[in-house]
Amino acid sequence: QSALTQPASVSGSPGQSITISCAGSSTDISDYNYVSWYQQYPGKAPRLMIYDVRNRPSGVSDRFSGSKSGNTASLTISGLQTDDEADYYCASYTTSNTFFGGGTKVTVL
Amino acid sequence: QVQLQESGPGLVKPSDTLSLTCVVSGYSISTSNWWGWIRQPPGKGLEWIGYIYYSGGAYYSPSLESRVTMSVDTSKNQFSLKLSSVTAVDTAIYYCTRKGPYDTYYAAWGQGTLVAVSS
Repeated sequence: QSALTQPASVSGSPGQSITISCAGSSTDISDYNYVSWYQQYPGKAPRLMIYDVRNRPSGVSDRFSGSKSGNTASLTISGLQTDDEADYYCASYTTSNTFFGGGTKVTVL
Repeated sequence: QVQLQESGPGLVKPSDTLSLTCVVSGYSISTSNWWGWIRQPPGKGLEWIGYIYYSGGAYYSPSLESRVTMSVDTSKNQFSLKLSSVTAVDTAIYYCTRKGPYDTYYAAWGQGTLVAVSS
């Protein structure tokens, strides 16, 4: 397993839907449903948004959804809002390691 | 609800050992959880350092394993990170985290503390 690949940036207008991809380099994502997503505002700690590919923690808006196809996971934000503008990181978990993607900056136009 | 708070020197000299502590409040550290560290160089992405079980077993990142030691102090409800032989590339914001026994994610994070390595 190794680092995950995310697009550096994704943008959209308010109300639109955007999707952030997270590609694994081998079978790390396809073999396990242990992908999580984190939102991070500047100067703040990351916040868990999605776990185990598609599950939302309590308190996270249902505008955020996760999915997986093969070795690529995705985070979709629907009904884009201005406060969705932040960095987003995917992560792939194993007992002995956790790999993060490089992060995607979401800009609301 | 668990709260995590990192503390430690904000400046460490090259070749020295970086030492950080994470105080846990609102939750007993002596439960079936993993207590860990994740860092983020300024302007860059997240890097997993490792985690330690409340009773002492630990997993460390292979890239840092030779320099990392984690420990738990149940009497003070806190856990610690030591990173030896630091260089400028270890300059980062260090976050402490909690992972549940069967969780595959990190739901609780400290606010982070910036540690700079410089002479």
